[in-house]
Amino acid sequence: DQQVKQNSPSLSVQEGRISILNCDYTNSMFDYFLWYKKYPAEGPTFLISISSIKDKNEDGRFTVFLNKSAKHLSLHIVPSQPGDSAVYFCAAIRDTDKLIFGTGTRLQVFP
Amino acid sequence: KAGVTQTPRYLIKTRGQQVTLSCSPISGHRSVSWYQQTPGQGLQFLFEYFSETQRNKGNFPGRFSGRQFSNSRSEMNVSTLELGDSALYLCASSSSGPRQETQYFGPGTRLLVL
Repeated sequence: DQQVKQNSPSLSVQEGRISILNCDYTNSMFDYFLWYKKYPAEGPTFLISISSIKDKNEDGRFTVFLNKSAKHLSLHIVPSQPGDSAVYFCAAIRDTDKLIFGTGTRLQVFP
Repeated sequence: KAGVTQTPRYLIKTRGQQVTLSCSPISGHRSVSWYQQTPGQGLQFLFEYFSETQRNKGNFPGRFSGRQFSNSRSEMNVSTLELGDSALYLCASSSSGPRQETQYFGPGTRLLVL
């Protein structure tokens, strides 16, 4: 039972354009959401997070939007850079429970 | 500050064998979580240890076990290995738990079961 889903396994975007990565969840009890970025041969690194009491959080080129009624969150990267090419995982958690990850989306930013 | 280290980085085993993976967290971190990453499944939570106690457990069979020592170092053991156990095993440490943004991942141990 995949509680956190990333339905697009891959995304290709031109440098300078916007990258939008999507994530859906099924458990309405999740109250905190995080995005991680993973390069090959490295562990995931934290990117940005959002609490369920907010609908938007911004950090430089990265913005996460949360739509609780649709149980959907998205990560916007503007402008996209070649160094953003990586696998992006969304994750959700409730209280101090375990962190549930999505299956990941591979982003490729081309010149 | 040194990062999270995992040993070994690569491992090849055969079916039926057992394996022990090690994770050394960042100094001062008391929470260590373990994840299995496989293609198509993403990162799946195995368990979390905090101050030598298992605090949370994922939906994995009993062949997967772990422990944490008083210095917060953690080990994960898989007994009676199966082909499907081939994966990247990641550990992550934080000061108080996975909810923290400051959860740092190690580079992982890639296990291949033949």
